[in-house]
Amino acid sequence: KNQVEQSPQSLIILEGKNCTLQCNYTVSPFSNLRWYKQDTGRGPVSLTIMTFSENTKSNGRYTATLDADTKQSSLHITASQLSDSASYICVVVDRGSTLGRLYFGRGTQLTVWP
Amino acid sequence: EADIYQTPRYLVIGTGKKITLECSQTMGHDKMYWYQQDPGMELHLIHYSYGVNSTEKGDLSSESTVSRIRTEHFPLTLESARPSHTSQYLCASSDPPGHYTDTQYFGPGTRLTVL
Repeated sequence: KNQVEQSPQSLIILEGKNCTLQCNYTVSPFSNLRWYKQDTGRGPVSLTIMTFSENTKSNGRYTATLDADTKQSSLHITASQLSDSASYICVVVDRGSTLGRLYFGRGTQLTVWP
Repeated sequence: EADIYQTPRYLVIGTGKKITLECSQTMGHDKMYWYQQDPGMELHLIHYSYGVNSTEKGDLSSESTVSRIRTEHFPLTLESARPSHTSQYLCASSDPPGHYTDTQYFGPGTRLTVL
């Protein structure tokens, strides 16, 4: 069964600290993995997209890693800011269909305190 | 910020009412999607469209229906709302630069509450 599991479910950190969010998946055949940020009451916004051959991709203070062999990804946030408080969703796309089926994790709820 | 819009943002209605959730995008995207999301849970695909006059049901069974008469418009309709329909509904669109790396752009969502 194709699944995407994220950990931790929630995380509280102090402003300025770093954190790492985890994503494990069983989706096969794999096409690409995306990290989205979803602010409360808003739609998700794409942070990174990684294909099979990419190990690391950065977007400002966000750095995503991918290990396609172990089917694990992480999202590292550096020097956190209050505006980083949001849900971070890991999404894995398969390539077994024309649509490119998306499998969503439940997200990690990050809270940054001043 | 993506140019995809949803109205209303919040809706509280009584059981049995017919409602239409609006979604429009100005990016000329062919593919559009409707997702349902409950608090703390993952998004579930309920409908999608490849283009005008194309609509398909997603993975999560839904009593809603959709139409795609114009590229930019993808409304979702519930003929008779029930409390079990209470949820957040997210609309998205995508236009692939390459076959497997298209980005989905999400609207702000409609928070529906059925009393």
